[in-house]
Amino acid sequence: EAQVTQNPRYLITVTGKKLTVTCSQNMNHEYMSWYRQDPGLGLRQIYYSMNVEVTDKGDVPEGYKVSRKEKRNFPLILESPSPNQTSLYFCASSRPGVVETQYFGPGTRLLVL
Amino acid sequence: DAKTTQPTSMDCAEGRAANLPCNHSTISGNEYVYWYRQIHSQGPQYIIHGLKNNETNEMASLIITEDRKSSTLILPHATLRDTAVYYCIVRAGGTSYGKLTFGQGTILTVHP
Repeated sequence: EAQVTQNPRYLITVTGKKLTVTCSQNMNHEYMSWYRQDPGLGLRQIYYSMNVEVTDKGDVPEGYKVSRKEKRNFPLILESPSPNQTSLYFCASSRPGVVETQYFGPGTRLLVL
Repeated sequence: DAKTTQPTSMDCAEGRAANLPCNHSTISGNEYVYWYRQIHSQGPQYIIHGLKNNETNEMASLIITEDRKSSTLILPHATLRDTAVYYCIVRAGGTSYGKLTFGQGTILTVHP
């Protein structure tokens, strides 16, 4: 089954404790992205990657890092989480083309105390 | 990317057609109209897209006006499970680079 998976799905952590949210897709997609969703602000892109070893900042990259060492994986790293990074996070993937249809993961709900 | 305008919320009775409008008056000739929906904090789900012609798939129909300045997503027989936030997005072909810009969308509530 074609899918995007994220782990963990739920995470409670404390300020300053480094964490990684993993994202994996099995569709051989070149493009992958991370979004965060907050009430009243909608979905905002954090980082995106157009291919292996190619990443770029989205609209709200501060406080986040990403890496794309393999085509299927695109982990999101919070080196020193802060309470304002409490949010719902989505990973997505797509294939480049005239029409780009994005496939989203199930989401990771993060609470930073 | 062209800006889109959608109503904040809409209601629909179960079993009836849900017609969700979207205005995109500044759309360019090479820009596609995409629809996604998000059911209660799940990941957004692609529904349908179109350029000029009306489109239909197993989920919905997309009607685009002749001048392309507006479109309507039609769920022909809405069910309670169609309650969700529906996003209309306009994007030039081949320019997404993996990024979608979501607006506020329309909250569709399907009631019994």
